[in-house]
Amino acid sequence: GNSVTQMEGPVTLSEEAFLTINCTYTATGYPSLFWYVQYPGEGLQLLLKATKADDKGSNKGFEATYRKETTSFHLEKGSVQVSDSAVYFCALSLQGAQKLVFGQGTRLTINP
Amino acid sequence: GAGVSQSPSNKVTEKGKDVELRCDPISGHTALYWYRQSLGQGLEFLIYFQGNSAPDKSGLPSDRFSAERTGGSVSTLTIQRTQQEDSAVYLCASSQDRVVYEQYFGPGTRLTVT
Repeated sequence: GNSVTQMEGPVTLSEEAFLTINCTYTATGYPSLFWYVQYPGEGLQLLLKATKADDKGSNKGFEATYRKETTSFHLEKGSVQVSDSAVYFCALSLQGAQKLVFGQGTRLTINP
Repeated sequence: GAGVSQSPSNKVTEKGKDVELRCDPISGHTALYWYRQSLGQGLEFLIYFQGNSAPDKSGLPSDRFSAERTGGSVSTLTIQRTQQEDSAVYLCASSQDRVVYEQYFGPGTRLTVT
C-alpha cells in the first residue's frame, strides 16, 4: 500500500540550529510529495510541495528535494527560529486519487 | 470569504450516542475532504466529495460513519452509536476542483467519547 514514514519526535533545537526532519515513502506509481505544517492553535497548511523526481520545494527558508532513488523527501532549514515551532507532516498523493496520505507528524520545538 | 470552518470546535458525548460534525468549505471550492487525527493513528483520510457526490469513501472505518454534502457546500459527518475509539480530532478540508495538494484545512472538531 501507500504510506509515509517520518522520523519520530519530538524534536527540540536551539534557535539558529540546522533542522532535518526525515521522510520516506512507499507508493505504487509516482506520487506528488508535500510538507504540511500545523502551528499551535491553527489548522494544517501547505508548506511546500514537489510533483516529480528531483524537484525541490521551498518556502519560508524550508527546503525538501524529491529523491526517487531513496524514496525520500527530507525537510531541511538552515537556521530555525522560535516561530518555526509546530507539528510538521509529510504527505503524498497519487495521480487520480483525491486524497492525501500523511505521515505521523513530527513535533518541533525551538528554544530561544 | 473566510477559510474552512467547522463546528462544534469541541464535542463530548457518551458512548452509544450519535454525533454530527459540520464543515463549511471555502466558497467556490468543489472538492471537500474529511480526515481524522488520532493518537497512534496519525492523520487518516475518511471521505472525499466532488460536488455532492462521494467518489471515494474508502477511509470510513465502519458503517457507523456516514457523510453527506448538500448544495455543493456544507458537509455533515455523522457517527452513530459512538465508541471510545472514535475519540479524535476530525478535520475538514476543501480545494478547488481536483487540485489535491491545495487543500485548505479547517481547525477541526475535537470529539471525546466518554
